[in-house]
Amino acid sequence: EPEVTQTPSHQVTQMGQEVILRCVPISNHLYFYWYRQILGQKVEFLVSFYNNEISEKSEIFDDQFSVERPDGSNFTLKIRSTKLEDSAMYFCASKTGGYEQYFGPGTRLTVT
Amino acid sequence: AQSVTQPDIHITVSEGASLELRCNYSYGATPYLFWYVQSPGQGLQLLLKYFSGDTLVQGIKGFEAEFKRSQSSFNLRKPSVHWSDAAEYFCAVAISTGGFKTIFGAGTRLFVKA
Repeated sequence: EPEVTQTPSHQVTQMGQEVILRCVPISNHLYFYWYRQILGQKVEFLVSFYNNEISEKSEIFDDQFSVERPDGSNFTLKIRSTKLEDSAMYFCASKTGGYEQYFGPGTRLTVT
Repeated sequence: AQSVTQPDIHITVSEGASLELRCNYSYGATPYLFWYVQSPGQGLQLLLKYFSGDTLVQGIKGFEAEFKRSQSSFNLRKPSVHWSDAAEYFCAVAISTGGFKTIFGAGTRLFVKA
């Protein structure tokens, strides 16, 4: 069964550094998403992406964040200058035109 | 605004006992509802989903959930809990206002005692 994959599984970075989290959505999916889960809290929507542009973004998704689909298979989340409060699990998701998103296993980002 | 409420932060049940986790949603249109389970440090595993039709849906690992439109609820049940069911459970609703996204509840942590 096709799956969403994410790399790395764990990323440790220093405050102020740039990080890129990578996702490979399911191949025939057209809609792509990033979610964030701070430790012990609920999963929160960050951004949706369709047809090579952002469809919607939350208030969390400020100018420090950007997303890109650099080729036909990858979908990336970049945090330009990480802060301590960016430490979280980041989930990528994708879907077709239906109502179910398929979530990846997550990348745990630790900012020190 | 759209939201999902899971009123129980944590629940403890004895192994072999029945389980019900509560979930209420607030969404004006047709809800697309999900239950996910998450073990510590792990990803989200889909237990079951409801889109339409029969309001009692069956999922994996012996879980089921019942959609009650009149109560805006989608409670998760299991007749006999196993120690391996100890985890965090998230109820979620997919909405399509403006864009499409999934809104999650705060989660219920399940503890299972021997």
